[in-house]
Amino acid sequence: EVKLLESGGGLVQPGGSMRLSCAASGFTFTDFYMNWIRQPAGKAPEWLGFIRNKANGYTTEYNPSVKGRFTISRDNTQNMLYLQMNTLRAEDTATYYCAREYTTAFDYWGQGVMVTVSS
Amino acid sequence: DTVLTQSPALAVSPGERVSISCRASEGVNSYMHWYQQKPGQQPKLLIYKASNLASGVPARFSGSGSGTDFTLTIDPVEADDTATYFCQQSWNDPNTFGAGTKLELK
Repeated sequence: EVKLLESGGGLVQPGGSMRLSCAASGFTFTDFYMNWIRQPAGKAPEWLGFIRNKANGYTTEYNPSVKGRFTISRDNTQNMLYLQMNTLRAEDTATYYCAREYTTAFDYWGQGVMVTVSS
Repeated sequence: DTVLTQSPALAVSPGERVSISCRASEGVNSYMHWYQQKPGQQPKLLIYKASNLASGVPARFSGSGSGTDFTLTIDPVEADDTATYFCQQSWNDPNTFGAGTKLELK
């Protein structure tokens, strides 16, 4: 059974940093692109970026809205996905999801973790 | 960015057929996907690449369209289908989502 479990959210001050983690299980982690997506309360999801699979060299792509502030990485020995977020702003407040990619759709999502940016 | 426009809300009776539309501001080929999200839950993939049923999704759900106009159809609608439905395109960078259509049952 595919499982994705995010952790690391909480309250952070504007300008601060936070790292989110996503533990993956139930599938061959290195075969898949992995994504981060966020969703402010009551709004549409926003794709943040992905990290490619082993066959494509684990390279990354980002939404221009967060490029330069957010960094996606993975530890393939631990089946872990990470999102490093820097210079956080109030508008980054959202639920953050990790998601597995299948033919460019997101076929499995974690349960999400809340990030609140506030003083 | 590619803007995806969805009608905000629909209300239907159980047993009826409902079509939820998604219009893209520019062509997305067949790279349109549909998700169902219930309150407090993560989105769930229903349809990928316009018309392909995701694993474990009931055949009551179907998708159609190409280019800029896409439709998710539920036939027949059941009480458990009360949710918000999002479309998402992955043809143009960056990936974008529609604002969602909230489906309510009468």
